[in-house]
Parts: sequence; structure tokens; C-alpha cells
Amino acid sequence: RKEVEQDPGPFNVPEGATVAFNCTYSNSASQSFFWYRQDCRKEPKLLMSVYSSGNEDGRFTAQLNRASQYISLLIRDSKLSDSATYLCVSEHTPLVFGKGTRLSVIA
Amino acid sequence: GAGVSQSPSNKVTEKGKDVELRCDPISGHTALYWYRQSLGQGLEFLIYFQGNSAPDKSGLPSDRFSAERTGGSVSTLTIQRTQQEDSAVYLCASSLDSAAYEQYFGPGTRLTVT
Repeated sequence: RKEVEQDPGPFNVPEGATVAFNCTYSNSASQSFFWYRQDCRKEPKLLMSVYSSGNEDGRFTAQLNRASQYISLLIRDSKLSDSATYLCVSEHTPLVFGKGTRLSVIA
Repeated sequence: GAGVSQSPSNKVTEKGKDVELRCDPISGHTALYWYRQSLGQGLEFLIYFQGNSAPDKSGLPSDRFSAERTGGSVSTLTIQRTQQEDSAVYLCASSLDSAAYEQYFGPGTRLTVT
């Protein structure tokens, strides 16, 4: 099974900060990626998709760098409610989930 | 509409006992997945069903684990002769089909083997 690798963190950032984390993938043929968010003791939920053109949704921006085989997630103006684990996911059937990066936004 | 539901939400069992975990996917979703998540760890794929096709069992960790999906809807994950290392949260997810990358997860069943 193809792997995706993530820095487990934790990333501890103050409210209002900008934070970014990357995810590397090993299958160069992968076309699509996704970021899922998992709150503590909750199930994962889709945050956003990442296609070749990248994706922006409000304070969240996801980018794909095919040459270096990584995807990134940028969060601007961090909120306390952004504290969660962010899972990088590579398209396969079934999906391949990374182990997640834990983000803590501190007041 | 109703999301993915799982039961029980918590299960405590003694080592060596069999357990059954249930998943009700979203109505109309043909793809169903089982994952396991140990404390502080990522999602470990176990098995997936797509319509009437043979399930992909490549993630099942041992022959003590099995799953079935009846009528293309409800699925049951069975663990026989449970071991302490089976303790984890078992998550079920469904999607419209295997090509739909948004998976909707249930709340999970927290299994504790004593």
C-alpha cells in the first residue's frame, strides 16, 4: 500500500498565527489528494480536496507540488477551533491516510 | 439526513471472547470501509466493500478478523478470540462509490479487551 508521510507535530501556535504543514507521498502517479480533519476522540471529516491547481477555502489553502511530491496545508489567522489533527490522504481505492499532524492553537 | 451509525459505541470484552461491531452506512452509498485507530495512531485500513464485488480484505491483520455486508447495506465486523492488542477505535465509513473520495465516517466503536 502506497504511503503518505506527515510530521506528527504537535504544532503549537498562538491565535492569529499562520501555520503550514506538509505531507509527502510516494506514488508519483497519484492525481488527487485530500485533507481530512479529526478532532480529539471524534471521527475524521473531509476538510478540502487538493488538485493540481491547488484549492483555497477561506483561511485554508492547500497546494500540490508534483515535482517534489508533497502537498501542503496553510492556515491563516488561526483560531482556537482549528485545534485538531489534520490527516493527509492520497487517492486510491481505498484511500490511503497519513498518520496526521496535530495542531494546537493557543490563546 | 442520517449519517453513518455504528454500534455499540463502547465495548469492553475479556480476552478470548468474540465481538461483533455493526455499521449502518448512509443510504445509497455503495462503498463501505472499516478502519482501526489505536490511541494516538493513524487510521489502519482493514477491509472495504464495493457493491456486489468481492471485498478487499488486504488490510485484515489476522484470520481472527472477518467482515460481511448483507444486502449491500449494513456491515458487521467480527473479531474472534480477542487479544489485548485488538483494543482500538473501529471506524466505519461509507461513500457513494469507490470512486468518490469523500468518505463519511461513523463515530466509531471503542473496543477495550481486558
